[in-house]
Amino acid sequence: ETGVTQSPTHLIKTRGQQVTLRCSSQSGHNTVSWYQQALGQGPQFIFQYYREEENGRGNFPPRFSGLQFPNYSSELNVNALELDDSALYLCASSLLGARENIQYFGAGTRLSVL
Amino acid sequence: LAKTTQPISMDSYEGQEVNITCSHNNIATNDYITWYQQFPSQGPRFIIQGYKTKVTNEVASLFIPADRKSSTLSLPRVSLSDTAVYYCLVGRPRQLTFGSGTQLTVLP
Repeated sequence: ETGVTQSPTHLIKTRGQQVTLRCSSQSGHNTVSWYQQALGQGPQFIFQYYREEENGRGNFPPRFSGLQFPNYSSELNVNALELDDSALYLCASSLLGARENIQYFGAGTRLSVL
Repeated sequence: LAKTTQPISMDSYEGQEVNITCSHNNIATNDYITWYQQFPSQGPRFIIQGYKTKVTNEVASLFIPADRKSSTLSLPRVSLSDTAVYYCLVGRPRQLTFGSGTQLTVLP
């Protein structure tokens, strides 16, 4: 149990729609990162938020956007969904500035785009 | 970011010790070595992290030679529930860069 919770657990959308995924960070953590994991692949970094500002971004288009709130919860928004967006979306929280960069992951949201 | 190379898959039997080696020839001076475990449809779970020599916790040991160009995750007396994908990561970046990992299958 990592203390990181994600909702919903599963979601089905159609191409062109928009989706919002939610994450509640572990208590005391100030940083949240989002990852996309396609079937059979390792997680791919989307972006990270620290103190409500984007603090790094992977190779994902602008239709992937995020928010971090003062209570360190977070949202991932994806616009204009494409079939290839079908994946497990993972949220991870961590404490930026700690000696070890250990990230604690939630169980993920499984998104299916039809 | 240092690139890592690890076996795609490994099989073992219950009760055996399993060693998974990761190669990271371009590791930088300040880089840590971290291992995560992932079960199907779950997020990766932190197992162990080290910088040099040997680190041991309640679930695993991590052996790092003096040149730090490789590391070995050791799982003592594996059980069926240790069947999972194991990822080796190097660095202390903002974002974690996962490769394809090693699929460990523990057989009865």
